Amino acid sequence: DARVTQTPRHKVTEMGQEVTMRCQPILGHNTVFWYRQTMMQGLELLAYFRNRAPLDDSGMPKDRFSAEMPDATLATLKIQPSEPRDSAVYFCASGPFSGTTGELFFGEGSRLTVL
Amino acid sequence: KQEVTQIPAALSVPEGENLVLNCSFTDSAIYNLQWFRQDPGKGLTSLLLIQSSQREQTSGRLNASLDKSSGRSTLYIAASQPGDSATYLCAAANQAGTALIFGKGTTLSVSS
Repeated sequence: DARVTQTPRHKVTEMGQEVTMRCQPILGHNTVFWYRQTMMQGLELLAYFRNRAPLDDSGMPKDRFSAEMPDATLATLKIQPSEPRDSAVYFCASGPFSGTTGELFFGEGSRLTVL
Repeated sequence: KQEVTQIPAALSVPEGENLVLNCSFTDSAIYNLQWFRQDPGKGLTSLLLIQSSQREQTSGRLNASLDKSSGRSTLYIAASQPGDSATYLCAAANQAGTALIFGKGTTLSVSS
């Protein structure tokens, strides 16, 4: 059963610390998205990649957030330094976009709490 | 800029009732629209995907419709069950392979 895998599932850290979240997309999917979910804002797009190249990261605070895809099986989202307002659930999603239907598959999310 | 709205934010119904969840979008030039279910503390599970050329999609007790001209989609749930209790989100993609823009969801509670 193919699925998107995210680690860690939960992370509690102190303000100022570096946080790295990882995502393993479904094998064969060429597009990977990072979303952030909060009660107030709902799901917000942070960044997304096609064939490992960044296509849009306009939703991401550039001064502290960075997203990369070192290879086709790993996407990372890093926050340095973290702040309490970064507390949220971060979701990774992948899809087989290549002229196909465009269905998106989500991971279980990484719940981040910054104290 | 595409905006997606879901009303109401919360809905409570007794078991067995048929219900409709609403989703509206501002830009009718969408590529597709997707409905998701989210259980507390969990990720999103895709329920139905409607391409821009389609009017509706069905899966079991779920039926989703799409009216691009009016900027609306509805998710119809027949014979609701307590297990249907969850948050339902709709999301629109403006172009193939671009990011989905999400509504804030409707939280459904079905009582037995």
